[in-house]
Amino acid sequence: GQQVMQIPQYQHVQEGEDFTTYCNSSTTLSNIQWYKQRPGGHPVFLIQLVKSGEVKKQKRLTFQFGEAKKNSSLHITATQTTDVGTYFCAGRSGAGSYQLTFGKGTKLSVIP
Amino acid sequence: KAGVTQTPRYLIKTRGQQVTLSCSPISGHRSVSWYQQTPGQGLQFLFEYFSETQRNKGNFPGRFSGRQFSNSRSEMNVSTLELGDSALYLCASSMGQGAGSDTQYFGPGTRLTVL
Repeated sequence: GQQVMQIPQYQHVQEGEDFTTYCNSSTTLSNIQWYKQRPGGHPVFLIQLVKSGEVKKQKRLTFQFGEAKKNSSLHITATQTTDVGTYFCAGRSGAGSYQLTFGKGTKLSVIP
Repeated sequence: KAGVTQTPRYLIKTRGQQVTLSCSPISGHRSVSWYQQTPGQGLQFLFEYFSETQRNKGNFPGRFSGRQFSNSRSEMNVSTLELGDSALYLCASSMGQGAGSDTQYFGPGTRLTVL
């Protein structure tokens, strides 16, 4: 079945440093979504990427979808303590797929 | 608009018992998906329902089952509980119309502890 690998599993950064998490799928994805889960909370939708090579920005967050639609990344510039949490990517393998496969997430800690 | 609600929020059961969890989606959403979240395995897809029909199922044993009612509310049931079933069970709702593009709105989850 479809597998979505996400690295790194953990990342500790000093406040102000940049952070990147990477997501790789074993199959071509129709789209990829990113979610953030704060400690003790539930996943919250951040963004969806659909097109090959797509790049989207949300303030300090930059999301990319690979040309082959099998990989994606989330980059945070100048991290803040409010960025703390676990970031998940989630992909659908085909146009008719109703199953969203999540990566195991990257847990981000920000040292003030 | 009210968010996704899940009841109960916390549950303690013993091995061998069965449990039923409930999820009320956002008004107007017709799709409900269930996920199991554990520290070691992350978020694992259980099943998804749309208009009372199961559209997809993850790789979980038959002890895990679910259903959806005509008002889109959903329940999941776990029979013959095992220690390894201890987890946070998350429900997510979406419009469900476009299989390839739906945003999932998660509920707060039910924390199940099996003793």
